[in-house]
Parts: sequence; C-alpha cells; structure tokens
Amino acid sequence: DTEVTQTPKHLVMGMTNKKSLKCEQHMGHRAMYWYKQKAKKPPELMFVYSYEKLSINESVPSRFSPECPNSSLLNLHLHALQPEDSALYLCASSQVRRGQGYTFGSGTRLTVV
Amino acid sequence: GENVEQHPSTLSVQEGDSAVIKCTYSDSASNYFPWYKQELGKRPQLIIDIRSNVGEKKDQRIAVTLNKTAKHFSLHITETQPEDSAVYFCAASKGNTGKLIFGQGTTLQVKP
Repeated sequence: DTEVTQTPKHLVMGMTNKKSLKCEQHMGHRAMYWYKQKAKKPPELMFVYSYEKLSINESVPSRFSPECPNSSLLNLHLHALQPEDSALYLCASSQVRRGQGYTFGSGTRLTVV
Repeated sequence: GENVEQHPSTLSVQEGDSAVIKCTYSDSASNYFPWYKQELGKRPQLIIDIRSNVGEKKDQRIAVTLNKTAKHFSLHITETQPEDSAVYFCAASKGNTGKLIFGQGTTLQVKP
C-alpha cells in the first residue's frame, strides 16, 4: 500500500459544528503532517507528528486540534471554525529521516458556512 | 525565517519545447529539495528531489540542478507534453523535522 487515504473528501460544516478529518497510511511512515492549502497557493504546514508525538505546531488556532492515535492514523478535530478556514486540508506522511519526500493524501475540501 | 522564492509564477510553452522553473532558498542549512506537481483538484505529487550532496539529478524528461553556493535550484522539463500542464511547487527542508518550506508555485501551460 503506497497511499495516504483521507476521509471525507468533502465536508460542509457550520461555525458551531464539531467535525473530524481522518488520515490513514500503511507505509510504515512514522512522520505525519497536516497542511492547509488555499486556492492557487502552496500548502501551509499546520502540524507535524513524529513517532506519534506532536513535534511542530505552526501557531495554529486552538479550534484545530490534531490527534495521532497510532502510527497509521492521524486526525484533525475541528470546532467553531470560521469561513476563512475553508480550504483543502492535506495529510502527508514520510519516513523520519533527513531528506524524505512526502506522500500526500487527496485531501478534504472543507467549506465553513 | 526560512523562505523559498519561485519564478516564474506562470509559464506557457509550446509542446516539445523545454520549461525551466527556478527557486532560491534563504537557509544555507537546507539540505533537501523536492519538486511537486499538482494537477487541478488533485494532490501534490513528488516528481523529483535532490539532496545537498548532489549537483544534478535526471529522471527521463525531468532534471533538477542545485547550486549550493548561490542557494538556487531549478527544475528542467524537456520535450514538454500537454499532460505536463499543472502547478509545480519547489520546496526545501533541513534536518530531521520533515518540515518543508514551499515556493509559491508555477503554473505551467503546455500548448499543443
């Protein structure tokens, strides 16, 4: 299995809702990432997990809460989002070594109404 | 802070011509430089990468060159085809964090 699987593919949520994005990989990668991508812009790093521990939080607002239950799964819990949080949310994974390319998931297109 | 600048922002070429996209990075400690291709509505896909101990790498019609002294790296696509049309992102990273700093992207259009 050489893929990163993200669910759901599309999500519409209200500003008072709570939802979760899920990411799964079975490549044995021990680094997993959440990125946010706006249209026509590069991906922006949100969080990095290394060996299931949060290693980087790029000053992301607390309405985004990551979780890494095990080495194959990564979640992003969403609460009280704003319309400007609408974007493509990409999960990625890689080996934990210098100079490793990511494998990206197909993303969740999130719309906050 | 770390920064990667990418040029041009858009590039239009005729099928069969070559395309070159250039990136400059600010952190001299950067040691890994991947290139990603993102087609409309799809995920970024790694197409080629280079490490700081190598000056050039080729894979069929694509090549990447790295000039560590000038802190430049470039993507070269030869014999372009319409299916090469996409947004291309360069990136740089250092150490074991896995954190990638992306350039702003180049929209490549290959006209048949």
